[in-house]
Amino acid sequence: DQQVKQNSPSLSVQEGRISILNCDYTNSMFDYFLWYKKYPAEGPTFLISISSIKDKNEDGRFTVFLNKSAKHLSLHIVPSQPGDSAVYFCAASAPGGGSNYKLTFGKGTLLTVNP
Amino acid sequence: EAGVAQSPRYKIIEKRQSVAFWCNPISGHATLYWYQQILGQGPKLLIQFQNNGVVDDSQLPKDRFSAERLKGVDSTLKIQPAKLEDSAVYLCASSLAGGGQYFGPGTRLLVL
Repeated sequence: DQQVKQNSPSLSVQEGRISILNCDYTNSMFDYFLWYKKYPAEGPTFLISISSIKDKNEDGRFTVFLNKSAKHLSLHIVPSQPGDSAVYFCAASAPGGGSNYKLTFGKGTLLTVNP
Repeated sequence: EAGVAQSPRYKIIEKRQSVAFWCNPISGHATLYWYQQILGQGPKLLIQFQNNGVVDDSQLPKDRFSAERLKGVDSTLKIQPAKLEDSAVYLCASSLAGGGQYFGPGTRLLVL
């Protein structure tokens, strides 16, 4: 049962354009969402997050949008750069275990930014 | 600040053999996680420690997988005996209480 879904296995974008990566979730208990970036042979690196009490969070070129009613979030990268080429994982957590987060990950989307 | 360290980086074994992975979290991080990432999938949490106590091991196949975190710092994850379907990258992560998770580079396991 895939509770976090990234339906696009891959995305190809031209340098300088916007990259939009999408993520859907099914568990309404999720209240915190994160995006991780992963290069080959490295562990995932935290990119940006958003709490369910917000609908937008911005950090430089990266913006995450959350639509709770649709159980959908998206990551916008603008402008896209070749160094952004990586696998992007969407992850969600639900409250539990005190302040600890148990992350449920999607399958990832491979972003390729072409020069 | 040093990141999460894992060893070995790669391991090839035959099915039914045993294997162990080691993780050293970021200094001061009380929470430690082990994830399994099968090719084409996202990481799946196997076990979560808070200091040296287990918080969540609901997805750990306990008939063959075991993990410990003695003294609340380093951790080892063991598979005994290994099956073909255990081929995956095993990721260790750590965090401060309520903080974001920092991942190590992972151990890539191939079971033949």
